[in-house]
Amino acid sequence: SQKIEQNSEALNIQEGKTATLTCNYTNYSPAYLQWYRQDPGRGPVFLLLIRENEKEKRKERLKVTFDTTLKQSLFHITASQPADSATYLCALVSTSGTYKYIFGTGTRLKVLA
Amino acid sequence: KAGVTQTPRYLIKTRGQQVTLSCSPISGHRSVSWYQQTPGQGLQFLFEYFSETQRNKGNFPGRFSGRQFSNSRSEMNVSTLELGDSALYLCASSWGLIYSNQPQHFGDGTRLSIL
Repeated sequence: SQKIEQNSEALNIQEGKTATLTCNYTNYSPAYLQWYRQDPGRGPVFLLLIRENEKEKRKERLKVTFDTTLKQSLFHITASQPADSATYLCALVSTSGTYKYIFGTGTRLKVLA
Repeated sequence: KAGVTQTPRYLIKTRGQQVTLSCSPISGHRSVSWYQQTPGQGLQFLFEYFSETQRNKGNFPGRFSGRQFSNSRSEMNVSTLELGDSALYLCASSWGLIYSNQPQHFGDGTRLSIL
């Protein structure tokens, strides 16, 4: 079956450490992949986008990697802060064959002070 | 610059009724897309409108429909409501179509509860 999974439902890390979130997909040929942050009661907020021919993208403390061989994207937050606590969603756009826009299950990150 | 605005924020309906949700995109954005978010299924794409035409569609029954007006504002309609339609309905806008590498700007959603 076609699906996109994020590594764990919840992740707790200590302030200052690097948080690494995983997004795995099967049976897709993604054109690109997006990462969003969602706070309780709010809509998702766009963070980063990485295309299929890109290996890595950075924005301030955020870094995304994309490995089409492993069918995996990693999302890193360095020097994490309690304000980074939120749910993080990956989303895949596939344009080969039938167009698809699929969201991952989400990872709830909690950064402990 | 004002963000995406969705109305109403909360709505309670009963089974069998129909509902219309409204979305005002960011000024200048021509693409509006709709999503359903539930604890069990997560965030799922419903459909996308661009220049008043539905351009892409997710895997939802025909009870879910939408439209877009010439000012890019959009409405989503759900007919013959079922208990399983209880969800947070999100709208997002962008300059271009989703598959043109455009990030989506989401509103805060309409929480629909079916009794």
